[in-house]
Amino acid sequence: DTAVSQTPKYLVTQMGNDKSIKCEQNLGHDTMYWYKQDSKKFLKIMFSYNNKELIINETVPNRFSPKSPDKAHLNLHINSLELGDSAVYFCASSLGAGQYFGPGTRLTVT
Amino acid sequence: TQLLEQSPQFLSIQEGENLTVYCNSSSVFSSLQWYRQEPGEGPVLLVTVVTGGEVKKLKRLTFQFGDARKDSSLHITAAQPGDTGLYLCAGGSQGNLIFGKGTKLSVKP
Repeated sequence: DTAVSQTPKYLVTQMGNDKSIKCEQNLGHDTMYWYKQDSKKFLKIMFSYNNKELIINETVPNRFSPKSPDKAHLNLHINSLELGDSAVYFCASSLGAGQYFGPGTRLTVT
Repeated sequence: TQLLEQSPQFLSIQEGENLTVYCNSSSVFSSLQWYRQEPGEGPVLLVTVVTGGEVKKLKRLTFQFGDARKDSSLHITAAQPGDTGLYLCAGGSQGNLIFGKGTKLSVKP
């Protein structure tokens, strides 16, 4: 009965590789998000989708490309991974003001 | 650029003590939310306040939204070890959420 799920939980990869993180929500929410949380626990929004349409795209390198096949899924693809991409990535969804977060994906780039 | 300043950054107290965490900004927000995050997990929504001056209570937690909708506070009464975690405030603006940097609370038994 998980509300917002992400896979994988941990991802260790080398610089230059391409990787994807998947997110699914079963709450029936219209809006989904990707956040990046750095080592100091600062949580910053990267993208926001509403009904499969991109509505927020913060200053994120274009190596990051979100894809929403339907309103229950929002995947994040990252090309040419860099050391600085190491962080915890959270997916979230919302219907109104409050957001519901997934468990996070810890990405480590070596 | 909208910013939310949280204070204190770290707080270590004994079980049974009271505490207040503050969240301040120079910007007006349409809503203010508080989240709690435990290690290895995602933030969990505690409360959303939308009206200036609004006060909400959740058991031993009291949340207040400032009259001007620029600041908020979280007060915990008789803290317990289970309250330990990272508390994040987040301001809502134009469908976006701006997060503070968090207050790491440790409650010792």
